[in-house]
Amino acid sequence: AQSVTQLGSHVSVSEGALVLLRCNYSSSVPPYLFWYVQYPNQGLQLLLKYTSAATLVKGINGFEAEFKKSETSFHLTKPSAHMSDAAEYFCAAGKGRGATNKLIFGTGTLLAVQP
Amino acid sequence: DVKVTQSSRYLVKRTGEKVFLECVQDMDHENMFWYRQDPGLGLRLIYFSYDVKMKEKGDIPEGYSVSREKKERFSLILESASTNQTSMYLCASGAGSSYNSPLHFGNGTRLTVT
Repeated sequence: AQSVTQLGSHVSVSEGALVLLRCNYSSSVPPYLFWYVQYPNQGLQLLLKYTSAATLVKGINGFEAEFKKSETSFHLTKPSAHMSDAAEYFCAAGKGRGATNKLIFGTGTLLAVQP
Repeated sequence: DVKVTQSSRYLVKRTGEKVFLECVQDMDHENMFWYRQDPGLGLRLIYFSYDVKMKEKGDIPEGYSVSREKKERFSLILESASTNQTSMYLCASGAGSSYNSPLHFGNGTRLTVT
């Protein structure tokens, strides 16, 4: 069965520091991968998605993610953290045409940004 | 912009009550989903629907049912609420025409069952 693993349920960085949130997937076929962000008391908002066109994907708010098939990873990064980046981040994978839009989510990583 | 609207932000219900959570989307999406979000467990799929009157069980359907009478509306029903159904419920919709199109989420309904 397909699964998504996010290493680290809590990550704390200083303002201006690099943000690295880890995501690994397990699948027998390349999945479609997404990163979502959830701000307090809100639903999930799409940050970026991997569509096989390019392995480095740029998203909103300065975030990007790199798809590495050999490592089955899709880690999320941002060069310089801002206080407004404090939120919970979810990695998700879809199976493709046979399960349109049906996503499997990781357990989330709560990002804290210290001043 | 796609808008997914959940009718209630907060609900408090008593054990044994029948509870309806309503969700409406305005983008003519074929697919609609109900997820449950709990700390440390991420989002778990309860039910989804890929067409009017069509539904499929997700990973945790026990204790829930759904209704999709119109394309834009997808309702989650708790037939007899229990305290272990206290949670955040998220509705989402997505276009069925593209298998890598993202899901669009509502702001969630935080349900407390006492």
